[in-house]
Amino acid sequence: DIQMTQSPSTLSASVGDRVTITCRASQTITGWLAWYQQKPGKAPKVLIYEGSFLEAGVPSRFSGSGSGTEFTLTISSLQPDDFATYYCQHYNAYLWTFGQGTKVEIK
Amino acid sequence: EVQLVESGGGLVKPGGSLRLSCAASGFSFGSYSFNWVRQAPGKGLEWVSSISGSSYYIYYADSVRGRFTISRDNAQNALFLQMNNLRAEDTAVYYCARDDRRYWGPGTLVTVSS
Repeated sequence: DIQMTQSPSTLSASVGDRVTITCRASQTITGWLAWYQQKPGKAPKVLIYEGSFLEAGVPSRFSGSGSGTEFTLTISSLQPDDFATYYCQHYNAYLWTFGQGTKVEIK
Repeated sequence: EVQLVESGGGLVKPGGSLRLSCAASGFSFGSYSFNWVRQAPGKGLEWVSSISGSSYYIYYADSVRGRFTISRDNAQNALFLQMNNLRAEDTAVYYCARDDRRYWGPGTLVTVSS
């Protein structure tokens, strides 16, 4: 089974900061990777799919990159609405695997 | 408007059963595969099960295989999760999600406790 490992688990940042979250797969996943944002009490919201494609309606300050086993989510200038928990997800046919999450907190 | 709404959660004793439902509207239900994903209190997301549009392909996480059964009724635009022999570690918010990842329900809370 493929394992997804995110780092860091928690990140403290200020409004305007550039933030990067890393997700590593235990084996090559050929770009079938998504990033989600989740706020307390709410369902996850997809931000990025296929590693680097921005979901419709998602602000352009969010970007995804990477391939093979290492992927990153970057927020170019952190906004107050961005303080949340972020998850990476590998999807392959009918199997989903999530990273453990990265909580972005206010510094 | 695409909507997914879960129901059927609640408090159940260890060893008990629950059946979750996910009512879908606003799209061609039978054209999509679906997933159940759960989130224990204060924890991360865990994929539980998936089912193809025709119900031909069905998959489970190791943690629920043999205890949970996913099914769907395309005529009723509904997805189900039958949960048997529930354990304390099954306590979580259960979400249904369309396979394109764009649409999730708000979730339903399942609490397994004596």
